[in-house]
Amino acid sequence: DARVTQTPRHKVTEMGQEVTMRCQPILGHNTVFWYRQTMMQGLELLAYFRNRAPLDDSGMPKDRFSAEMPDATLATLKIQPSEPRDSAVYFCASGRGTGAGEQYFGPGTRLTVT
Amino acid sequence: AQSVTQLGSHVSVSEGALVLLRCNYSSSVPPYLFWYVQYPNQGLQLLLKYTTGATLVKGINGFEAEFKKSETSFHLTKPSAHMSDAAEYFCAVSWGTSYDKVIFGPGTSLSVIP
Repeated sequence: DARVTQTPRHKVTEMGQEVTMRCQPILGHNTVFWYRQTMMQGLELLAYFRNRAPLDDSGMPKDRFSAEMPDATLATLKIQPSEPRDSAVYFCASGRGTGAGEQYFGPGTRLTVT
Repeated sequence: AQSVTQLGSHVSVSEGALVLLRCNYSSSVPPYLFWYVQYPNQGLQLLLKYTTGATLVKGINGFEAEFKKSETSFHLTKPSAHMSDAAEYFCAVSWGTSYDKVIFGPGTSLSVIP
């Protein structure tokens, strides 16, 4: 049963520390998405990759966030330095890139910045 | 600009009663439409989708939705609610065969009363 995996599942860190979240998309999927979910803002798209190339990161605070795909099996989202307002659940999703829009979500990383 | 609205941030139904979750969209081109469900502490999973063809689409767990172009709606229904249906439901829209981005609505939390 193919699924998207994310690590860590939970992360508690102090303000100012670097946070790295990792995602393994489903094998064969060529699109990867990073979302942030909070009670106040709901589900926000942070970044979007197709064939490992970033296509849209307009939703991401550029001064502290960065997203990369070192290879087809790994996507990373990094926050440096972290702030309490970054506390949220971060989801990775992948898709086949056929244009039908169907995405498969990972279980999320719950980040708490104190 | 394309957008998705969901009427009612919270809906409560009695077990066995009809479930109706409302979704309206705005789009200048024919949309692809989706309903996703999120159970507590999990990622989103696809319930059903409309791309082309039959406007009444059936999904998992007994849910179905009807695309009504004249009303720009894609409401989700289930004839008889079950306790296990309690979750957050998101309507989403994307456009075109080369466009993978999905715009999610704000979500509707469904409670099922025994």
